[in-house]
Amino acid sequence: SQTIHQWPATLVQPVGSPLSLECTVEGTSNPNLYWYRQAAGRGLQLLFYSVGIGQISSEVPQNLSASRPQDRQFILSSKKLLLSDSGFYLCAWEEGNSPLHFGNGTRLTVT
Amino acid sequence: GEDVEQSLFLSVREGDSSVINCTYTDSSSTYLYWYKQEPGAGLQLLTYIFSNMDMKQDQRLTVLLNKKDKHLSLRIADTQTGDSAIYFCAEKGGYQKVTFGTGTKLQVIP
Repeated sequence: SQTIHQWPATLVQPVGSPLSLECTVEGTSNPNLYWYRQAAGRGLQLLFYSVGIGQISSEVPQNLSASRPQDRQFILSSKKLLLSDSGFYLCAWEEGNSPLHFGNGTRLTVT
Repeated sequence: GEDVEQSLFLSVREGDSSVINCTYTDSSSTYLYWYKQEPGAGLQLLTYIFSNMDMKQDQRLTVLLNKKDKHLSLRIADTQTGDSAIYFCAEKGGYQKVTFGTGTKLQVIP
């Protein structure tokens, strides 16, 4: 069966520091991968999606970047964090017409 | 762009039925989903329905789809305190993009 792992679960980082969040998927090949951010409140904002290795699409311009170095690995990065980068980051995957499946999320607090 | 709307809050008594409503604008939706998010956790897929279906039932959950009105609902029978969470409606459109609603916070009163 397929599983998705996200880490770390929580992270507190100072303003100006770098960021690296990792997401891996097991049990599937060539999945579509997504990074969402959920700010305080409710809504989910799509940040990046990837349909294959090295293929990244950005939905909104921002301080973040994403990379997909391997088929089942998706990384969210920043060179210098801003206070506004605080939030709950969710990785998700899908294959074909299957629904999106989410990881457990990373709570990022930028201080 | 496509839009999915939900009411923000619903409060029900334990044992009653809950009905969470959702409207969407994408006329080319292929799938519609319901996700549950408990505090501090990711989104858990509860159920989904193909756009050519009117209803789907899965134990205590009933999904109704009115494609003409672009209205989706989730009914939870015999609501329990463990059902307290935020429920997200989502639709997959013609370009395979998934659009989420803002979520409905369900509060179950013992």
